[in-house]
Amino acid sequence: DIVMTQSPDSLAVSLGERATINCKSSQSVLYSSNNKNYLAWYQQKPGQPPKLLIYWASTRESGVPDRFSGSGSGTDFTLTISSLQAEDVAVYYCQQYYSTRALTFGGGTKVEIK
Amino acid sequence: EVQLVESGGGLVQPGGSLKLSCAASGFTFSGSAMHWVRQASGKGLEWVGRIRSKANSYATAYAASVKGRFTISRDDSKNTAYLQMNSLKTEDTAVYYCTRPDMDVWGKGTTVTVSS
Repeated sequence: DIVMTQSPDSLAVSLGERATINCKSSQSVLYSSNNKNYLAWYQQKPGQPPKLLIYWASTRESGVPDRFSGSGSGTDFTLTISSLQAEDVAVYYCQQYYSTRALTFGGGTKVEIK
Repeated sequence: EVQLVESGGGLVQPGGSLKLSCAASGFTFSGSAMHWVRQASGKGLEWVGRIRSKANSYATAYAASVKGRFTISRDDSKNTAYLQMNSLKTEDTAVYYCTRPDMDVWGKGTTVTVSS
């Protein structure tokens, strides 16, 4: 199975500052035939199901604020929150869907306000 | 409105069985694969498995941790997917979610507790 490793496990950022979360896959999730990275990012707040933020590594889901952006390719990916808002406090997960017989998630990164 | 509603969770003893349901509405269920994902309290997300559509022969796939114990099925006439869980272990205790392949819509989850 493809192992997804996120870093850091948690981070505290001041309101209005940038938050950066990293995700590394144990093998490439870039499908050469369509040049797409099969990588998604989710936000989960306490007591709620996950919410899809980003798919294809960098495409924002409809309704997601543009302060959220995804980047990277192959095995290394980043989720950036450009200006942290109070409502962004949550746990963020990356996920690969390259291997459709074994989807895998990263361990999660908890984002808090400093 | 696209909606997924899980049900069937509860308390079961180790070694027991439980069957979860996921009722779907607001989209063409019969043409969509369905996935199950679980989350133990205070832990991360774990993909459990998926079932594809009739056009894809209802093909299933499972996480190694549940293979041979869990079975995913569906009834397209009822717009419902199921997760049959047998030989349950304490480590299967979690909130179980169903979701579509794009994982853009999730249910609120149903809680399974495996304990004596």
